[in-house]
Amino acid sequence: AQSVSQHNHHVILSEAASLELGCNYSYGGTVNLFWYVQYPGQHLQLLLKYFSGDPLVKGIKGFEAEFIKSKFSFNLRKPSVQWSDTAEYFCAVNPLTTDSWGKLQFGAGTQVVVTP
Amino acid sequence: DTGVSQNPRHKITKRGQNVTFRCDPISEHNRLYWYRQTLGQGPEFLTYFQNEAQLEKSRLLSDRFSAERPKGSFSTLEIQRTEQGDSAMYLCASSLKDRETNYGYTFGSGTRLTVV
Repeated sequence: AQSVSQHNHHVILSEAASLELGCNYSYGGTVNLFWYVQYPGQHLQLLLKYFSGDPLVKGIKGFEAEFIKSKFSFNLRKPSVQWSDTAEYFCAVNPLTTDSWGKLQFGAGTQVVVTP
Repeated sequence: DTGVSQNPRHKITKRGQNVTFRCDPISEHNRLYWYRQTLGQGPEFLTYFQNEAQLEKSRLLSDRFSAERPKGSFSTLEIQRTEQGDSAMYLCASSLKDRETNYGYTFGSGTRLTVV
């Protein structure tokens, strides 16, 4: 079955540490890719997206992600995290097929806890 | 606030009762999506509308679930004869089709349903 896999369910790290969250998908065709963040008690917010062009995309709050087509991956990175980055992070894929255009398929999420 | 609004924020109901949730999308958005999210999982697609037309329904949407979007504005999601397995966060999102590939989707804060 087509799916979106996030490598880690929970990540704990200290402030100023670097963060990398893995995301792999199994759709073979053209896809749009997203990372969403959900802070405690808040709604899903878009961090960044990839549609085409430069595979290294920059988002809000210092996050970036790299699309590696050959690896079906879209990993999220931040060089130096802050306590305020504590949140759940979701990778999402929009397969650009006729029957699924516009529909997002989410990964299970990664809970990130940043300790002071 | 010009975001996606969902009501109620929380709903506790007894098994077997019917419940209805409402979503008010961003006014210029013509696409509206419903997702369901359970603990430890990413959001799962349920259904979506373009204007008032319901274009796709997931297999997750049993015949106890019905969604409407009269006049292409707000949407309602009704669950009849609720079961404990229906307990989840129900998320609504909206997007503007013509610009969807540039801006992603805007999510509401969700309605948390607890069936006791």
